[in-house]
Amino acid sequence: SQKIEQNSEALNIQEGKTATLTCNYTNYSPAYLQWYRQDPGRGPVFLLLIRENEKEKRKERLKVTFDTTLKQSLFHITASQPADSATYLCALGFSGGYNKLIFGAGTRLAVHP
Amino acid sequence: SQTIHQWPATLVQPVGSPLSLECTVEGTSNPNLYWYRQAAGRGLQLLFYSVGIGQISSEVPQNLSASRPQDRQFILSSKKLLLSDSGFYLCAWSEWSEQYFGPGTRLTVT
Repeated sequence: SQKIEQNSEALNIQEGKTATLTCNYTNYSPAYLQWYRQDPGRGPVFLLLIRENEKEKRKERLKVTFDTTLKQSLFHITASQPADSATYLCALGFSGGYNKLIFGAGTRLAVHP
Repeated sequence: SQTIHQWPATLVQPVGSPLSLECTVEGTSNPNLYWYRQAAGRGLQLLFYSVGIGQISSEVPQNLSASRPQDRQFILSSKKLLLSDSGFYLCAWSEWSEQYFGPGTRLTVT
């Protein structure tokens, strides 16, 4: 069956450390993968997109990797801050699909001072 | 710049009552529009998407329907709500690959 899996348990880290979140998928062949941030009671906010032919993408303190062989994406936040505390969602996108996305359930990140 | 509006922000409705949630987008033309539902602690479930006026595709057969009467207006409806319709409803728009979400409507069916 088709699945997208993100760490169901919350990730707790100390301020200043690097947070690493994982997104694994099964029986999908996405053309690209996206990461979103969602704060409680709010809509998700787009962060980064990485295409199937890209290994790594960076934006400020964020880094995303995409391994289509392992069917996995890693999302890193370096020098984490308490303001980075939120739920992070990964989403798979497919070519020719009217930009339809399939979302994972998300991982909650808590950065402690 | 583009903005997306949803209303109402919260709604409490009894079982069997009708539903109408509205979403409007400003600052863009002919966007793709989407309705999602998010249950507590769960991922986003795509309900409907639209690539143009009057063009609606349903992803999951259920008690809900959608309409797009104008280019930048997307409406989610139900004739009779079920308890299982409770959740956080999100509207989104896209022009390219990334999607931009509205603030959401928290629906509680009692």
